[in-house]
Amino acid sequence: NAGVTQTPKFRILKIGQSMTLQCAQDMNHNYMYWYRQDPGMGLKLIYYSVGAGITDKGEVPNGYNVSRSTTEDFPLRLELAAPSQTSVYFCASSLGHSSSYEQYFGPGTRLTVT
Amino acid sequence: EDKVVQSPLSLVVHEGDTVTLNCSYEVTNFRSLLWYKQEKKAPTFLFMLTSSGIEKKSGRLSSILDKKELFSILNITATQTGDSAIYLCASTQGGSEKLVFGKGTKLTVNP
Repeated sequence: NAGVTQTPKFRILKIGQSMTLQCAQDMNHNYMYWYRQDPGMGLKLIYYSVGAGITDKGEVPNGYNVSRSTTEDFPLRLELAAPSQTSVYFCASSLGHSSSYEQYFGPGTRLTVT
Repeated sequence: EDKVVQSPLSLVVHEGDTVTLNCSYEVTNFRSLLWYKQEKKAPTFLFMLTSSGIEKKSGRLSSILDKKELFSILNITATQTGDSAIYLCASTQGGSEKLVFGKGTKLTVNP
Protein backbone atom coordinates (compact mmCIF):
# COMPACT_ATOMS: atom_id res chain seq x y z
CA ASN A 1 0.00 0.00 0.00
CA ALA A 2 1.25 3.45 -0.87
CA GLY A 3 -0.99 4.98 1.82
CA VAL A 4 -1.76 8.66 1.18
CA THR A 5 0.08 10.27 -1.73
CA GLN A 6 0.24 13.94 -2.65
CA THR A 7 1.53 15.76 -5.70
CA PRO A 8 3.36 18.00 -6.24
CA LYS A 9 5.89 18.11 -3.38
CA PHE A 10 6.73 21.77 -4.03
CA ARG A 11 5.17 24.54 -6.09
CA ILE A 12 5.72 28.25 -6.57
CA LEU A 13 2.74 30.23 -7.84
CA LYS A 14 2.34 33.83 -8.87
CA ILE A 15 -0.48 35.86 -7.33
CA GLY A 16 -3.73 35.19 -9.17
CA GLN A 17 -2.69 31.86 -10.66
CA SER A 18 -4.68 28.68 -10.10
CA MET A 19 -3.62 25.16 -9.30
CA THR A 20 -4.86 21.82 -8.05
CA LEU A 21 -3.16 19.86 -5.30
CA GLN A 22 -3.67 16.16 -5.82
CA CYS A 23 -4.34 13.63 -3.07
CA ALA A 24 -5.01 9.91 -3.36
CA GLN A 25 -5.32 7.06 -0.87
CA ASP A 26 -5.38 3.33 -1.46
CA MET A 27 -6.62 2.21 1.95
CA ASN A 28 -10.33 2.33 1.06
CA HIS A 29 -10.88 5.01 3.67
CA ASN A 30 -14.22 6.78 3.69
CA TYR A 31 -13.02 10.05 5.21
CA MET A 32 -10.52 12.44 3.69
CA TYR A 33 -9.24 15.83 4.84
CA TRP A 34 -7.20 18.78 3.72
CA TYR A 35 -5.15 20.76 6.23
CA ARG A 36 -2.78 23.66 6.02
CA GLN A 37 0.09 24.16 8.40
CA ASP A 38 1.67 27.54 8.96
CA PRO A 39 4.81 27.89 11.13
CA GLY A 40 3.97 27.51 14.83
CA MET A 41 0.26 27.16 14.14
CA GLY A 42 -0.52 23.46 14.18
CA LEU A 43 -2.87 22.08 11.52
CA LYS A 44 -5.99 23.91 10.36
CA LEU A 45 -8.76 21.99 8.58
CA ILE A 46 -9.67 23.42 5.16
CA TYR A 47 -12.21 20.90 3.83
CA TYR A 48 -13.17 17.34 4.52
CA SER A 49 -15.21 14.58 2.92
CA VAL A 50 -17.09 11.69 4.47
CA GLY A 51 -17.46 9.81 1.20
CA ALA A 52 -17.62 10.13 -2.56
CA GLY A 53 -19.83 13.05 -3.56
CA ILE A 54 -19.95 14.58 -0.06
CA THR A 55 -17.74 17.45 1.06
CA ASP A 56 -17.95 20.05 3.79
CA LYS A 57 -16.08 23.12 4.95
CA GLY A 58 -13.58 23.07 7.75
CA GLU A 59 -12.16 25.92 9.76
CA VAL A 60 -10.41 27.85 6.94
CA PRO A 61 -12.16 27.13 3.60
CA ASN A 62 -11.99 30.58 1.97
CA GLY A 63 -10.03 30.60 -1.29
CA TYR A 64 -10.24 26.83 -1.76
CA ASN A 65 -12.53 24.29 -3.38
CA VAL A 66 -12.67 20.51 -3.31
CA SER A 67 -14.41 17.65 -5.02
CA ARG A 68 -14.68 13.94 -4.26
CA SER A 69 -15.78 12.00 -7.29
CA THR A 70 -14.17 8.73 -6.15
CA THR A 71 -13.31 7.16 -2.79
CA GLU A 72 -9.62 7.32 -3.63
CA ASP A 73 -9.12 10.92 -4.77
CA PHE A 74 -9.65 14.25 -3.05
CA PRO A 75 -8.12 17.18 -5.00
CA LEU A 76 -7.86 20.69 -3.54
CA ARG A 77 -8.25 23.62 -5.91
CA LEU A 78 -6.85 27.12 -5.41
CA GLU A 79 -8.57 29.46 -7.84
CA LEU A 80 -6.84 32.83 -7.34
CA ALA A 81 -3.67 32.30 -5.38
CA ALA A 82 -2.82 34.87 -2.73
CA PRO A 83 0.33 35.28 -0.58
CA SER A 84 -1.77 34.30 2.47
CA GLN A 85 -2.06 30.82 0.96
CA THR A 86 1.67 30.23 1.27
CA SER A 87 1.76 27.20 3.52
CA VAL A 88 2.38 23.46 3.74
CA TYR A 89 -0.69 21.47 2.76
CA PHE A 90 -1.39 18.02 4.12
CA CYS A 91 -3.99 15.57 2.93
CA ALA A 92 -5.15 12.88 5.35
CA SER A 93 -7.60 10.00 5.43
CA SER A 94 -9.31 7.90 8.05
CA LEU A 95 -11.45 4.81 8.10
CA GLY A 96 -14.45 6.59 9.59
CA HIS A 97 -15.01 4.09 12.38
CA SER A 98 -15.55 5.02 15.99
CA SER A 99 -13.03 2.43 17.18
CA SER A 100 -10.22 4.52 15.73
CA TYR A 101 -10.05 8.19 14.88
CA GLU A 102 -6.48 7.89 13.61
CA GLN A 103 -5.83 9.94 10.52
CA TYR A 104 -3.10 8.96 8.08
CA PHE A 105 -1.21 11.82 6.50
CA GLY A 106 0.38 12.31 3.12
CA PRO A 107 3.91 13.76 2.78
CA GLY A 108 2.67 17.31 2.18
CA THR A 109 2.90 19.96 -0.52
CA ARG A 110 4.92 23.10 0.16
CA LEU A 111 3.29 26.00 -1.69
CA THR A 112 4.75 29.47 -2.06
CA VAL A 113 2.70 32.31 -3.59
CA THR A 114 4.71 35.37 -4.65
CA GLU B 1 -15.35 27.38 20.07
CA ASP B 2 -13.53 24.06 20.31
CA LYS B 3 -9.88 24.39 21.18
CA VAL B 4 -6.79 22.42 22.10
CA VAL B 5 -3.95 24.13 23.94
CA GLN B 6 -0.47 22.67 24.25
CA SER B 7 2.32 23.69 26.56
CA PRO B 8 5.11 24.44 26.48
CA LEU B 9 5.32 25.58 22.85
CA SER B 10 9.03 24.93 22.81
CA LEU B 11 11.38 22.87 24.96
CA VAL B 12 15.13 22.24 24.84
CA VAL B 13 16.61 19.37 26.86
CA HIS B 14 19.74 17.23 27.00
CA GLU B 15 19.90 13.59 26.03
CA GLY B 16 18.80 11.39 28.89
CA ASP B 17 16.38 13.92 30.37
CA THR B 18 12.71 13.10 30.95
CA VAL B 19 10.12 15.46 29.49
CA THR B 20 6.41 15.98 30.00
CA LEU B 21 4.31 17.62 27.33
CA ASN B 22 0.88 19.00 28.20
CA CYS B 23 -2.37 19.20 26.28
CA SER B 24 -5.66 20.65 27.49
CA TYR B 25 -8.88 20.59 25.51
CA GLU B 26 -12.31 22.17 25.40
CA VAL B 27 -14.47 20.50 22.80
CA THR B 28 -18.10 19.56 22.38
CA ASN B 29 -18.97 15.88 22.51
CA PHE B 30 -15.44 14.70 23.26
CA ARG B 31 -14.61 11.17 22.18
CA SER B 32 -10.84 10.75 21.89
CA LEU B 33 -7.54 12.56 22.14
CA LEU B 34 -4.65 11.76 19.83
CA TRP B 35 -0.92 12.44 19.90
CA TYR B 36 1.21 12.74 16.77
CA LYS B 37 4.94 13.18 16.19
CA GLN B 38 6.02 15.41 13.31
CA GLU B 39 9.61 15.39 12.15
CA LYS B 40 10.50 16.86 8.79
CA LYS B 41 7.32 15.89 7.00
CA ALA B 42 3.95 14.34 7.77
CA PRO B 43 2.67 13.75 11.29
CA THR B 44 2.88 10.14 12.41
CA PHE B 45 0.47 8.65 14.91
CA LEU B 46 1.61 7.90 18.46
CA PHE B 47 -1.42 7.29 20.69
CA MET B 48 -5.18 7.51 20.86
CA LEU B 49 -6.71 7.94 24.33
CA THR B 50 -10.38 7.46 25.03
CA SER B 51 -10.64 6.46 28.68
CA SER B 52 -9.44 8.35 31.74
CA GLY B 53 -6.57 7.01 33.79
CA ILE B 54 -5.44 4.27 31.41
CA GLU B 55 -1.83 4.76 30.41
CA LYS B 56 -0.81 4.02 26.86
CA LYS B 57 2.85 3.07 26.48
CA SER B 58 5.22 2.54 23.59
CA GLY B 59 8.86 2.13 24.48
CA ARG B 60 10.05 5.30 26.19
CA LEU B 61 6.84 7.18 25.38
CA SER B 62 3.70 7.07 27.47
CA SER B 63 0.52 9.07 27.65
CA ILE B 64 -2.52 9.38 29.88
CA LEU B 65 -5.86 11.17 29.73
CA ASP B 66 -7.81 12.93 32.49
CA LYS B 67 -11.39 13.48 31.28
CA LYS B 68 -12.44 15.20 34.48
CA GLU B 69 -9.75 17.89 34.24
CA LEU B 70 -9.77 17.85 30.41
CA PHE B 71 -6.09 17.29 29.80
CA SER B 72 -3.54 14.77 28.65
CA ILE B 73 0.20 14.43 29.10
CA LEU B 74 2.85 12.81 26.95
CA ASN B 75 5.95 11.61 28.77
CA ILE B 76 9.24 10.76 27.13
CA THR B 77 11.89 9.17 29.34
CA ALA B 78 15.62 8.93 28.61
CA THR B 79 15.28 11.29 25.65
CA GLN B 80 17.42 10.79 22.56
CA THR B 81 18.32 13.19 19.75
CA GLY B 82 15.91 11.25 17.52
CA ASP B 83 13.06 12.42 19.74
CA SER B 84 13.56 15.96 18.43
CA ALA B 85 10.31 16.81 16.66
CA ILE B 86 7.07 18.72 16.95
CA TYR B 87 4.54 16.84 19.06
CA LEU B 88 0.95 17.54 18.12
CA CYS B 89 -2.10 16.92 20.27
CA ALA B 90 -5.55 16.67 18.68
CA SER B 91 -9.06 16.11 19.92
CA THR B 92 -12.08 14.75 18.13
CA GLN B 93 -14.56 17.53 17.55
CA GLY B 94 -18.33 17.67 17.86
CA GLY B 95 -18.69 13.92 18.10
CA SER B 96 -17.44 13.61 14.53
CA GLU B 97 -14.34 12.25 12.81
CA LYS B 98 -12.89 15.76 12.56
CA LEU B 99 -9.84 16.59 14.65
CA VAL B 100 -8.92 19.96 16.11
CA PHE B 101 -5.18 20.32 16.62
CA GLY B 102 -3.11 22.25 19.10
CA LYS B 103 -0.19 24.40 17.94
CA GLY B 104 2.29 21.72 18.91
CA THR B 105 5.30 21.51 21.21
CA LYS B 106 8.67 21.75 19.52
CA LEU B 107 11.07 19.47 21.38
CA THR B 108 14.81 19.77 20.81
CA VAL B 109 17.06 17.14 22.38
CA ASN B 110 20.72 18.12 22.42
CA PRO B 111 23.52 15.55 22.69
